[in-house]
Amino acid sequence: EAGVTQFPSHSVIEKGQTVTLRCDPISGHDNLYWYRRVMGKEIKFLLHFVKESKQDESGMPNNRFLAERTGGTYSTLKVQPAELEDSGVYFCASSPGQGLGTGELFFGEGSRLTVL
Amino acid sequence: AQSVTQLDSQVPVFEEAPVELRCNYSSSVSVYLFWYVQYPNQGLQLLLKYLSGSTLVESINGFEAEFNKSQTSFHLRKPSVHISDTAEYFCAVSEYNFNKFYFGSGTKLNVKP
Repeated sequence: EAGVTQFPSHSVIEKGQTVTLRCDPISGHDNLYWYRRVMGKEIKFLLHFVKESKQDESGMPNNRFLAERTGGTYSTLKVQPAELEDSGVYFCASSPGQGLGTGELFFGEGSRLTVL
Repeated sequence: AQSVTQLDSQVPVFEEAPVELRCNYSSSVSVYLFWYVQYPNQGLQLLLKYLSGSTLVESINGFEAEFNKSQTSFHLRKPSVHISDTAEYFCAVSEYNFNKFYFGSGTKLNVKP
């Protein structure tokens, strides 16, 4: 069974440009989460999808960030326009639907974003 | 809101020595507790978790953690580490609905020969 995959693994862009990160969760997982780790600090919650619906997007920093999960499968996280402080590692994680999971999150390897 | 504190950013230790990675949390509600590990060039993996029952939980590779409600701690221990334990370890808490997890800043365990 394939794990959570993220693309790209590393992206280097200039301030003001746009970047789109993609996450493919484990097949059948209803829950999809985006997290971000900036400069070795704590891993911070960005948002949570249940299927195609945003359950909680309280961690999204501002309106330059847009996450989508059309059809309840893969998800994209777009940053437009990117700022220097957006640099960090963006993690995607998935888990089975409510009542089916045990609290374990399955993580991708992360997408490292560097904004110059 | 919940928060997780991992005071030690790096812990160097010699092979076969014991180790303790500290984790304290702050929460106004009851939570579940987790330790995740990230090996080089890999994603985070669940190491162990406390949901209920015995406050001492163990992993398959010899780590253990004890939930201490009065001290709001969930320290991770191993009596004898191996080179292969070199990784970054993250403590995390979640409310009962698993909708949101709060992670600490991580502790890099560096096991030296």
